[in-house]
Amino acid sequence: NAGVTQTPKFQVLKTGQSMTLQCAQDMNHNSMYWYRQDPGMGLRLIYYSASEGTTDKGEVPNGYNVSRLNKREFSLRLESAAPSQTSVYFCASSEDGLSGYGYTFGSGTRLTVV
Amino acid sequence: RKEVEQDPGPFNVPEGATVAFNCTYSNSASQSFFWYRQDCRKEPKLLMSVYSSGNEDGRFTAQLNRASQYISLLIRDSKLSDSATYLCVVNQAGTALIFGKGTTLSVSS
Repeated sequence: NAGVTQTPKFQVLKTGQSMTLQCAQDMNHNSMYWYRQDPGMGLRLIYYSASEGTTDKGEVPNGYNVSRLNKREFSLRLESAAPSQTSVYFCASSEDGLSGYGYTFGSGTRLTVV
Repeated sequence: RKEVEQDPGPFNVPEGATVAFNCTYSNSASQSFFWYRQDCRKEPKLLMSVYSSGNEDGRFTAQLNRASQYISLLIRDSKLSDSATYLCVVNQAGTALIFGKGTTLSVSS
């Protein structure tokens, strides 16, 4: 089925460990996004990529890096995980740049940092 | 001040009730407006866009008041399946979607 695929779905890390969250879309969308969602909070934008080859910081970029590997893939890296990064991470994509229409979300990665 | 503010609820209503959610946004440059629905432990999904003239999709009606920077969602004849968190979402040109914290609805039989 067409959509946004995130891996892994669940992950437990120890403080200080690094990992990369993978995201891939097969809808030929131009723009991709990483959000995090904490209990009682809305989704907060970490980084986004308006088009292949570009990335920009969102509201909460500290502690993260991203790579827009190609048009399909947008990865999120935690270099040195901290307990404050325990969260649910959602990747999303959209077709027409940043107009706001047609966002499709992946099913999320549930990350726990101990 | 949070850019998009919503009453978190929860709203607990019986089946068949009418319920309304409100949302305010702080940036007058916001251009696009949406309601998303998020089920427990699932990803958000677009419920409907919100247009200045107001729009309806079955039992759901959305309204936008640009002067007051206010968005609303009305659900008529609530169903058990409407139980979810409803996210108010805005977009400014050149940025990504900005989400409210969500309003939780619980519909009981």
